Amino acid sequence: QSALTQPASVSGSPGQSITISCTGTSSDVGNYKFVSWYQQYPGKAPKVMIYEVSKRPSGVSDRFSGSKSGNTATLTISGLQAEDEADYYCYSYTVSDTWVFGGGTKLTVL
Amino acid sequence: QVQLQESGPGLVTPSETLSLTCAVSGDSISSSYWSWIRQPPGKGLEWVGYIHYSGSANYSPSLKSRVTISVDTSKNQFSLKVYSVTAADTAVYFCARYYCIGGTCSHFDYWGQGTLVTVSS
Repeated sequence: QSALTQPASVSGSPGQSITISCTGTSSDVGNYKFVSWYQQYPGKAPKVMIYEVSKRPSGVSDRFSGSKSGNTATLTISGLQAEDEADYYCYSYTVSDTWVFGGGTKLTVL
Repeated sequence: QVQLQESGPGLVTPSETLSLTCAVSGDSISSSYWSWIRQPPGKGLEWVGYIHYSGSANYSPSLKSRVTISVDTSKNQFSLKVYSVTAADTAVYFCARYYCIGGTCSHFDYWGQGTLVTVSS
């Protein structure tokens, strides 16, 4: 299985909205609702921001939202803040009863 | 409060076996599925595999021939072995708990802090 495809980097100014795409196949993203997104700061463990495509865990800002269309899932961060600068990874269940991460996207807040 | 703590050697010799343990506190190992994830320095996350307390496990296709994950319910911990390691296995290794309802798991809700394992002679 190949890693899900994410842009290597995205950037935005404070207050703006950005999107991060995560493209898989019909064997993973396209076939299951079990797509989640993780935020990771340098030297830290990842933290879930979105699960089951669009659900937000308790305590996560409502500025974070998720969606999916076909084989591509999308993370949207609105009202960008300096603290959002981090690496973001998508993660999906696959038809082989395995799981796969995206390659990761570095978000820079300008 | 669920806590996971990885432990094991920080340095492994090439061609040898990497062995790590994840101790779970604040929850029973029998309550969920558990996983290992690794991250080479400066690179992205890679899913290694999962284990259920029943012993059911599955692994990343790219690592399947060299990896074993096991569980010890008496010690409330699970373990990872990677055989015949090379420099490419140098990474921070994380253990994590799946959030599951009715046997269906959707995401990781708890992570260990991670432990760096370097493969070098």
